[in-house]
Amino acid sequence: RKEVEQDPGPFNVPEGATVAFNCTYSNSASQSFFWYRQDCRKEPKLLMSVYSSGNEDGRFTAQLNRASQYISLLIRDSKLSDSATYLCVVNMGAGGSYIPTFGRGTSLIVHP
Amino acid sequence: GAVVSQHPSWVICKSGTSVKIECRSLDFQATTMFWYRQFPKQSLMLMATSNEGSKATYEQGVEKDKFLINHASLTLSTLTVTSAHPEDSSFYICSARPGQANSPLHFGNGTRLTVT
Repeated sequence: RKEVEQDPGPFNVPEGATVAFNCTYSNSASQSFFWYRQDCRKEPKLLMSVYSSGNEDGRFTAQLNRASQYISLLIRDSKLSDSATYLCVVNMGAGGSYIPTFGRGTSLIVHP
Repeated sequence: GAVVSQHPSWVICKSGTSVKIECRSLDFQATTMFWYRQFPKQSLMLMATSNEGSKATYEQGVEKDKFLINHASLTLSTLTVTSAHPEDSSFYICSARPGQANSPLHFGNGTRLTVT
């Protein structure tokens, strides 16, 4: 079983749609969680951190469910420019040694 | 915000030569940097953790004698691909954390290596 799992998609949605991605992680000792966005042939860029209390940034909402060991990303009112691969990242480890572990990414395609 | 600079952005080299990739943290000190590799349509794979002033920690299956990592200062880590072969052609990306170990990574812009 992979440590961080994501549905690779692609998720194909029309402009204006709401779309949600989930990411599950296996290590219950995981400490911090993030969503990154990666465009084709570019480096990943931090989208947002994920907290148990939920985190909202404009059209994007991220949530963490520690009991079920998953994080989610909700995108409202999708734009064409939201088309990208969304990477779930989990910092795993303890004792100050946190290794960032990536999911394989979920591809989103927003069409007109 | 934290900036990580990677150089070169792309390189084409002949089989058998060595290529050095630099990763610099421009506005913060990084005792730890991470090197990733990404093949087309695949996920980022951690190759090694670079530790300032000590040996790098390599992931299983990554040859330490082929992928030499040097982290001589708090702002610079280098990855040298020695005796490169076409199968080493990939996108290499470095990253670092500007804050605590629990903080998010910031990535360099990546190096696209093509070995002919």
